[in-house]
Amino acid sequence: EAQVTQNPRYLITVTGKKLTVTCSQNMNHEYMSWYRQDPGLGLRQIYYSMNVEVTDKGDVPEGYKVSRKEKRNFPLILESPSPNQTSLYFCASSLSAGETQYFGPGTRLLVL
Amino acid sequence: AQKITQTQPGMFVQEKEAVTLDCTYDTSDQSYGLFWYKQPSSGEMIFLIYQGSYDEQNATEGRYSLNFQKARKSANLVISASQLGDSAMYFCAMREPYNFNKFYFGSGTKLNVKP
Repeated sequence: EAQVTQNPRYLITVTGKKLTVTCSQNMNHEYMSWYRQDPGLGLRQIYYSMNVEVTDKGDVPEGYKVSRKEKRNFPLILESPSPNQTSLYFCASSLSAGETQYFGPGTRLLVL
Repeated sequence: AQKITQTQPGMFVQEKEAVTLDCTYDTSDQSYGLFWYKQPSSGEMIFLIYQGSYDEQNATEGRYSLNFQKARKSANLVISASQLGDSAMYFCAMREPYNFNKFYFGSGTKLNVKP
């Protein structure tokens, strides 16, 4: 089944404790992206990747890191999480940039 | 600057009636793309419909159609014959002109379909 998977789906952590949210797609998509969703703000783009080893900042990259070492994986790293990073995070992928994106199920993060 | 505006935080519609969800966008460029996504209470994001700025006809996908008015910079989603399963959050999104990697989403409209 073609899909985007994210792990974990739910995470509670404490301020400053490094964490990684994994994202994987099995559709051989070139483009991948991370978003955060907050009430009243919709989705905001954090980072995106056009292909392996090619990443760039979205609108809200502060406090996040990404890497794209393999085409299928695009992990999101929070090196020192803070409470304002409490949010619902989505990974998405598309065949190439600009095309319809397919989203993962979301990761709900709570930073205490 | 706000690129996508959805002015209806919440809406009600009677089952089997049609409903229009508003979306306006802000760009001075000619080449862009507009998307609508549905987010049910379960949380996943489901692609509904796409409209390219150069498409001459309004996009349609089953019960969904996009009322694209370029001069007004609006891309309203029309759902015909509403069903209870249409109750969800709906997001309008725009692909950045000339940088196909960047996307902007509106704040969403929560639609409730009444039986």
